[in-house]
Amino acid sequence: DAKTTQPNSMESNEEEPVHLPCNHSTISGTDYIHWYRQLPSQGPEYVIHGLTSNVNNRMASLAIAEDRKSSTLILHRATLRDAAVYYCILRGYTGANSKLTFGKGITLSVRP
Amino acid sequence: DTGVSQDPRHKITKRGQNVTFRCDPISEHNRLYWYRQTLGQGPEFLTYFQNEAQLEKSRLLSDRFSAERPKGSFSTLEIQRTEQGDSAMYLCASSPPSLTEAFFGQGTRLTVV
Repeated sequence: DAKTTQPNSMESNEEEPVHLPCNHSTISGTDYIHWYRQLPSQGPEYVIHGLTSNVNNRMASLAIAEDRKSSTLILHRATLRDAAVYYCILRGYTGANSKLTFGKGITLSVRP
Repeated sequence: DTGVSQDPRHKITKRGQNVTFRCDPISEHNRLYWYRQTLGQGPEFLTYFQNEAQLEKSRLLSDRFSAERPKGSFSTLEIQRTEQGDSAMYLCASSPPSLTEAFFGQGTRLTVV
């Protein structure tokens, strides 16, 4: 399974932008980059995904490096409700390669 | 659609007992996944169904564990002769055929005493 590397933790101030980095140097050409987050005592929640181009949705933006070996999840204005563990995951699109393989993720703390 | 539903939310059982968990995926989602999560760790993959076929099982899924998805709808995960090491959160997720995203349930928290 392709692996990702994330810092263990990050702190941010409320209403400021947050950039969460992820390295995935062994990514294959067919792997999509997915981000999920998990709040305490809840199941993981989908945030965003992309293949090659940068992506935006109502929750966040995903910036993907040109060589696809790294990506950054951008929360434009952090709120206290964004405090969670964020997982960067590579996902294939065939059969069992479609499973999500989670690492430890990055724990985001948001200061009021 | 109310999302992925798991039942029960909490289960306390004595060591050696059998337990069964149920997962109801989002309708028309053909892919279903089971994960296990312990404190401080990310979810660990257990098994994957595409429709009713179980296509992959993790080595974490010992012979005490069995999962089914009859008729490609709901799924059950059974643990026989539970051990204290089985205490964890068991998560179910489903994805549509397009695989755009996976939707997770709230999980079943198992405590083996």
